[in-house]
Amino acid sequence: DTAVSQTPKYLVTQMGNDKSIKCEQNLGHDTMYWYKQDSKKFLKIMFSYNNKELIINETVPNRFSPKSPDKAHLNLHINSLELGDSAVYFCASSQVFYEQYFGPGTRLTVT
Amino acid sequence: TQLLEQSPQFLSIQEGENLTVYCNSSSVFSSLQWYRQEPGEGPVLLVTVVTGGEVKKLKRLTFQFGDARKDSSLHITAAQPGDTGLYLCVGGKDGTASKLTFGTGTRLQVTL
Repeated sequence: DTAVSQTPKYLVTQMGNDKSIKCEQNLGHDTMYWYKQDSKKFLKIMFSYNNKELIINETVPNRFSPKSPDKAHLNLHINSLELGDSAVYFCASSQVFYEQYFGPGTRLTVT
Repeated sequence: TQLLEQSPQFLSIQEGENLTVYCNSSSVFSSLQWYRQEPGEGPVLLVTVVTGGEVKKLKRLTFQFGDARKDSSLHITAAQPGDTGLYLCVGGKDGTASKLTFGTGTRLQVTL
């Protein structure tokens, strides 16, 4: 069984559109995260939720809004997509904050 | 987010060779993790080291945490094509994931 899953794997959309990425973990972890990996492969944390409560909100445009309906799910909604939003977005979960379990990633391309 | 400096950035070697990847910082970390990321996949946790001077082995991979807990190294013996990927070190400080410091990454290619 997949530990951390994300959908979709690939997302191609036009500027100005709104899109969502879904994430689910079956590890029973309390904390989930969203990361952005740019073209140079730098990973940057965006958000973190612990038991459905937002605990980390890094400097991210407010066009990005995470939502956690329960502790096994953390979705990412992006409004008014821009070219610079193109990247690979990873969901992750952890029980111990420094040991992260990553999903397979969603490659977002904004044209 | 601060970065941990990894060297080398790129490494292309032949099967059977040995290699070492370095991860350096001026900051002290309470823990350090190494991840491997294969193309099209998410990073996978390889090891966590928490004690200065600690050495951990995972088959042909040897991880060491510096005595001062500011740096780490990953040594691979007799590299195989399956070792190909992006290696990331991540430093953690007591607190939350917002204190995680990500490495700049080392891209390793092992050819036959």
